[in-house]
Formats: sequence, structure tokens, C-alpha cells
Amino acid sequence: EVQLVESGGGLVQPGRSLRLSCAASGFTFDDYAMHWVRQAPGKGLEWVSGISWNSGSIGYADSVKGRFTISRDNAKNSLYLQMNSLRAEDTALYYCSKGGSYAEDWGQGTLVTVSS
Amino acid sequence: EIVLTQSPATLSLSPGERATLSCRASQSVSRYLAWYQQKPGQAPRLLIYDASNRATGIPARFSGSGSGTDFTLTIISLDPEDFAVYYCQQGSNWPRGFTFGGGTKVEIK
Repeated sequence: EVQLVESGGGLVQPGRSLRLSCAASGFTFDDYAMHWVRQAPGKGLEWVSGISWNSGSIGYADSVKGRFTISRDNAKNSLYLQMNSLRAEDTALYYCSKGGSYAEDWGQGTLVTVSS
Repeated sequence: EIVLTQSPATLSLSPGERATLSCRASQSVSRYLAWYQQKPGQAPRLLIYDASNRATGIPARFSGSGSGTDFTLTIISLDPEDFAVYYCQQGSNWPRGFTFGGGTKVEIK
């Protein structure tokens, strides 16, 4: 059974940094691209960033480009999102998902709240 | 950036009725389109990929069609558990982009 468990969320002040993690199990992690998708309270889904199986291809939404960095450690079956210069509009539930062109499986998310 | 526009925003139907949801892309995405279902307090679930292929475990009452810029998700007979929000998503230009539509809420009439 595929399991994706996000962690690292919390309350952070504007301008500060946070690092999210996603622990994957139940599948061969280094066979799959991975994504971060977020959902602001009461809003729709927004893709944040994605990374190919070998980290050779990486993409970011325009809204986070230059502030967020995605990475993965295949030896640890883990995905990461380093979030710098956080803004109030980054407040959301952040989901980790498995897949390339599509998000085949999802974690339950970790909540990031950016507020002073 | 490819923009996906979903319509209607809300669909009010009764159990047993047919639901037809639309997703239009601002430029061709070929058949690289997926549909997801999200219920309150839950993560989204992949229903359809490559425009018309059902994901594992998805009931046959869900079907997808379309190509290029116009896509449709059809639920042939709504089950009470189908009332939820549905999102389309394109993956044609991954990793440069990976876009979601704004969602359609299917609510009980």
C-alpha cells in the first residue's frame, strides 16, 4: 500500500523559512516523479513544484519560483520542500503526491500557516 | 501557462441523475488530462487519467472523454458518495507546468 506522510508544517512569521518533508513507502520511490500541491483554506488545488525520479527535471509554479526549492533523497525515500521568504498567501495545506504527468497517490497533507 | 477552466462551478443534482462536468484548456493538452475527486477533509483522489482511462478501483459509472482543449467527466448515475468537488488537471508540459482547474462542486439538490 502506497503511503505518503508529510511533516514539517506549522505557524511561521512572514519572511521566515520552513522545510517540509514527505516520507514515502509501499512503492519503489526512485521509479517515480513526485510533486507538492497545496490548497489554501476553502480554495482549490494549486500545483507548487515537481521533481523527476533522478532530480534531473524540476518545475515550479510562478508563485513560488525563486523562493521554494524541491529536492529528494532516494536513499531515504523522502521528498522535501524548502520554503523561504514565506508570505501570507503561502498559507495552505501542502500535499505530497506521487506521479509524473498526474498525481496518482496523495498524502494527507501538512498545514503551513504564515502569520505574524 | 496553460489555464484550465471548469464549468459549471456548481452542479445541483439528485442521486441517480447523470452528471456532466466540463474542462476547457487555453491551448491543446492532447490527451494529457486527469480528473480528481475531493471530499471534505480528505485528500484528492485520481479518477481518470489520459482523458479517458479510469484509475485503479474507480467504478465504471465514471467516464472521461475529450482531447485537445475540451474534456468531459461523466458520472452516469450519481451515487450518494459521489457528491464532492471535482478538479481537472493537465500534465502535458510537465515539468514546466502542471495545472489544475478551479473545480466543480457536485451537490445534492
